[in-house]
Amino acid sequence: NAGVTQTPKFRILKIGQSMTLQCTQDMNHNYMYWYRQDPGMGLKLIYYSVGAGITDKGEVPNGYNVSRSTTEDFPLRLELAAPSQTSVYFCASIDSSQHNEQFFGPGTRLTVL
Amino acid sequence: EDQVTQSPEALRLQEGESSSLNCSYTVSGLRGLFWYRQDPGKGPEFLFTLYSAGEEKEKERLKATLTKKESFLHITAPKPEDSATYLCAVQGPGAQKLVFGQGTRLTINP
Repeated sequence: NAGVTQTPKFRILKIGQSMTLQCTQDMNHNYMYWYRQDPGMGLKLIYYSVGAGITDKGEVPNGYNVSRSTTEDFPLRLELAAPSQTSVYFCASIDSSQHNEQFFGPGTRLTVL
Repeated sequence: EDQVTQSPEALRLQEGESSSLNCSYTVSGLRGLFWYRQDPGKGPEFLFTLYSAGEEKEKERLKATLTKKESFLHITAPKPEDSATYLCAVQGPGAQKLVFGQGTRLTINP
């Protein structure tokens, strides 16, 4: 199993540009999550999904959108990028049968200039 | 609102010098408390889940304990490879969402 994979690893955007961060998991997990992590801070939940076709807002959803058309994929869309969205983005999925352990991807480092 | 506060923000120890990291939490109905390790430039890696006060879990030099208000991550005779940021998170009732603390950055000097 590859686990949770994220692309790209790094990206620089100009203010106002848009992009999609890709996340794929091959563990057949129903629950998937997007977090952002600012320097020296913990993770803040952006959006999450409890299964294909079902998504919900987390703590900091403004400026982002998600979709979940398959169990495996959970892309995060940034529309009209702003400097405040400069951060490291982590995707995660849960194995609810194993102590709710969250498996994290390697992250995408995004800079908005 | 669920809250998690970790202390200290940073901790520097000598190799072999044991210590503890603290995670204080406020949650309406704890379903689980989680500890993660995060190395620079990588995603968090799961360490432990604790479910009820009095529970303890161990893994190598790490032991996690839980009370009704806080959790401790005890590190015994640490080695330089234990250097990392340690994150604590809680899960409340309802959906499977975690609230994270800001982490403790641990450095073990040889």
